[in-house]
Amino acid sequence: DQQVKQNSPSLSVQEGRISILNCDYTNSMFDYFLWYKKYPAEGPTFLISISSIKDKNEDGRFTVFLNKSAKHLSLHIVPSQPGDSAVYFCAASVTGANNLFFGTGTRLTVIP
Amino acid sequence: DAGITQSPRYKITETGRQVTLMCHQTWSHSYMFWYRQDLGHGLRLIYYSAAADITDKGEVPDGYVVSRSKTENFPLTLESATRSQTSVYFCASSESRGTMGTEAFFGQGTRLTVV
Repeated sequence: DQQVKQNSPSLSVQEGRISILNCDYTNSMFDYFLWYKKYPAEGPTFLISISSIKDKNEDGRFTVFLNKSAKHLSLHIVPSQPGDSAVYFCAASVTGANNLFFGTGTRLTVIP
Repeated sequence: DAGITQSPRYKITETGRQVTLMCHQTWSHSYMFWYRQDLGHGLRLIYYSAAADITDKGEVPDGYVVSRSKTENFPLTLESATRSQTSVYFCASSESRGTMGTEAFFGQGTRLTVV
């Protein structure tokens, strides 16, 4: 029973354009959301997070938007760069809990 | 080197064999975690540890055993490997439970194949 869902397994974007990665969740108890980036043969690395008290968090080219009523979050990358090509995992947790629930990942390819 | 390291990086074992995956971190983080990554499932928590000698089950603990006699090491043992345990295993560490998401660091992973 997947509590965090990433329905797009892959996404291709031209360099310089916007990449939008989507994530949906089902558990209304989740109050902390994260995006991780993963290159081949490496472990995931933390990218950006957002608390449920906010609806937007920005860090350089990366912005995460949270729509609590729709149980939906998205990651925007502007402008996209070839080095952004990786698998992106959405994750969610309850603050203070011991587990992160991960989505299945979206493979982003940025075409030069 | 500082960081979190897993060994081996790749392992092939036979059904029924015992196999241990190693994880070592140099930050003295209190929390350590084992995840497995499978197609269609993302990463799922197997076990975690809040401190030396304190461990607890995650989402998918069956068939696995962990121990944590020292803060820096968190080995994962498959007591009798099965084909369904073929996966990529990631170890992670975090300074505190409350900030696990932002301060969790993952190892490079161990790709385990059970034949």
